[in-house]
Amino acid sequence: AQSVAQPEDQVNVAEGNPLTVKCTYSVSGNPYLFWYVQYPNRGLQFLLKYITGDNLVKGSYGFEAEFNKSQTSFHLKKPSALVSDSALYFCAVRDDAGNNRKLIWGLGTSLAVNP
Amino acid sequence: ETGVTQTPRHLVMGMTNKKSLKCEQHLGHNAMYWYKQSAKKPLELMFVYNFKEQTENNSVPSRFSPECPNSSHLFLHLHTLQPEDSALYLCASSQDQGGPRAFFGQGTRLTVV
Repeated sequence: AQSVAQPEDQVNVAEGNPLTVKCTYSVSGNPYLFWYVQYPNRGLQFLLKYITGDNLVKGSYGFEAEFNKSQTSFHLKKPSALVSDSALYFCAVRDDAGNNRKLIWGLGTSLAVNP
Repeated sequence: ETGVTQTPRHLVMGMTNKKSLKCEQHLGHNAMYWYKQSAKKPLELMFVYNFKEQTENNSVPSRFSPECPNSSHLFLHLHTLQPEDSALYLCASSQDQGGPRAFFGQGTRLTVV
């Protein structure tokens, strides 16, 4: 069965420091992996996706994520955090096996960047 | 702006009321979705429409009734809701069902009193 885990409810970092938001997944086939961000009182916005190709994926707002097949992880990273990055981050996975095209969502990680 | 617009942004309704949520996209997408977002829970996919046809109904109670008159518009009709239905309801669209990328509206914050 497909699943995705975001082990941290909240991540706190100081502005200017690197940030990491963790995501691990479980699928039977090859994963399609996504990160979305939700700012307060807003819908979700797409950040980046991994389908095939380079394991390091670059996305919007300076974010990147590294696909690690052996660790079944897709952690979101940014070299230098901004206060404006404070938001709720969601990881999602879809299995390319079979006809199931449903996205499975993590519970979200709240990122707080302190000035 | 994502190209997906939801109205109203906020809605307070009594348990005996009937109301509707509206979603509109002008991205030329073929698939549209309703999600429910509650605190401390994963996003719950409620309904999926692909080319105006409902393709998924994830065991949603009948007090939620979707309608998709065309590929650009999606409605969620609400009646006799319960307080536990209070949540943020998000509409999304994608080129085809399954993505690869979904565009979300800003959501309707629903409070059932």
